[in-house]
Amino acid sequence: DQQVKQNSPSLSVQEGRISILNCDYTNSMFDYFLWYKKYPAEGPTFLISISSIKDKNEDGRFTVFLNKSAKHLSLHIVPSQPGDSAVYFCAASARFRDDKIIFGKGTRLHILP
Amino acid sequence: GAVVSQHPSWVICKSGTSVKIECRSLDFQATTMFWYRQFPKQSLMLMATSNEGSKATYEQGVEKDKFLINHASLTLSTLTVTSAHPEDSSFYICSARVRFQLTPQKAFFGQGTRLTVV
Repeated sequence: DQQVKQNSPSLSVQEGRISILNCDYTNSMFDYFLWYKKYPAEGPTFLISISSIKDKNEDGRFTVFLNKSAKHLSLHIVPSQPGDSAVYFCAASARFRDDKIIFGKGTRLHILP
Repeated sequence: GAVVSQHPSWVICKSGTSVKIECRSLDFQATTMFWYRQFPKQSLMLMATSNEGSKATYEQGVEKDKFLINHASLTLSTLTVTSAHPEDSSFYICSARVRFQLTPQKAFFGQGTRLTVV
């Protein structure tokens, strides 16, 4: 049972435009959410996170939005740059329960020139 | 930032042999380490959680006798794939952190180990 779902396996976006990656979760115990960027044969690199007490967190070109009622979060990258091409993983944890980090299947982002 | 070193980066072994993968936290003490496995084009699947000095907790469906995890110190955890078979070929990643660490990153990941069993 997939607790963290990324329903788009891939996404192509023109350079300079906004990239929006979506993520849904099913476990209402999750209270902390993270986005990671990953290249093949490497470990994930942390990008940005958000606590369930917030609905938005921004860090440079990256913004994460959280809609708790819909159990949905999204990562916005603007403007998109060629170096953003990678696989992006959404992850979630229940900090005061078992605190494990559970990953979605990832979305491969292609930034087109 | 904190560094987690995983060794080896890749390994090829013969079917039936055992392989040990090390995960070290280089500049912090990790009371908790997590081991993940990633199949091609799939998610990072959590295999087990290990706390220093205690037995690892395995996720459902993960054979604990096949994937032996040891967390003997605050800076080192090892994953041993015993009697490896071709279906064990995968990308294994560890992560390390202080439990309930209230920092944005929460966990620091190693660079992963590509295991190929022939």
